[in-house]
Amino acid sequence: DAKTTQPTSMDCAEGRAANLPCNHSTISGNEYVYWYRQIHSQGPQYIIHGLKNNETNEMASLIITEDRKSSTLILPHATLRDTAVYYCIVRVGGYGGATNKLIFGTGTLLAVQP
Amino acid sequence: GAVVSQHPSWVICKSGTSVKIECRSLDFQATTMFWYRQFPKQSLMLMATSNEGSKATYEQGVEKDKFLINHASLTLSTLTVTSAHPEDSSFYICSARVDSGVYEQYFGPGTRLTVT
Repeated sequence: DAKTTQPTSMDCAEGRAANLPCNHSTISGNEYVYWYRQIHSQGPQYIIHGLKNNETNEMASLIITEDRKSSTLILPHATLRDTAVYYCIVRVGGYGGATNKLIFGTGTLLAVQP
Repeated sequence: GAVVSQHPSWVICKSGTSVKIECRSLDFQATTMFWYRQFPKQSLMLMATSNEGSKATYEQGVEKDKFLINHASLTLSTLTVTSAHPEDSSFYICSARVDSGVYEQYFGPGTRLTVT
């Protein structure tokens, strides 16, 4: 799987949009971008994923650059409960066999400030 | 979204004993499940891939005789930590992969193991 790079930590004011960047310059054409988050002492929570088009769901928006080498996760109105470690992962879509597994990097610790 | 459960949520055991952790996909079938371990202030580390009906595939450096994995059905995988030692104390998290579409993975809430 392609590797990703993310800032170690970020702060965001409550109620403002949180924009979390991710670099995946070696992504392959059949690899998706996935975002998960982990609140302290809990299992990771799926947020969103995309291939090349921008995606939006009830939790967040995912903006993928045209060359697919980077992406941004947007939490439109951050709350204190959004404080977590956010992981950007690239992975082959579909069954993919042995390569189809999520490998976690160090992620970004987002601290939402009151 | 799909729900994955783990049992127990926490366990304390004595050094030398074995501990079994269960992982269940509650509302979907999962041919493939994954086991991760997480030490304090570190990221999740993939330990093994559990395949229903076949042997688990272990990541490099993970002792297969120490961490026994059984994928008994399409909704249940178990991880047994054998002859546990204090250094095995960790947060163990399982994940189940949906068998269709983009094969998303959903995670359980984790099991905190403390070996005394």
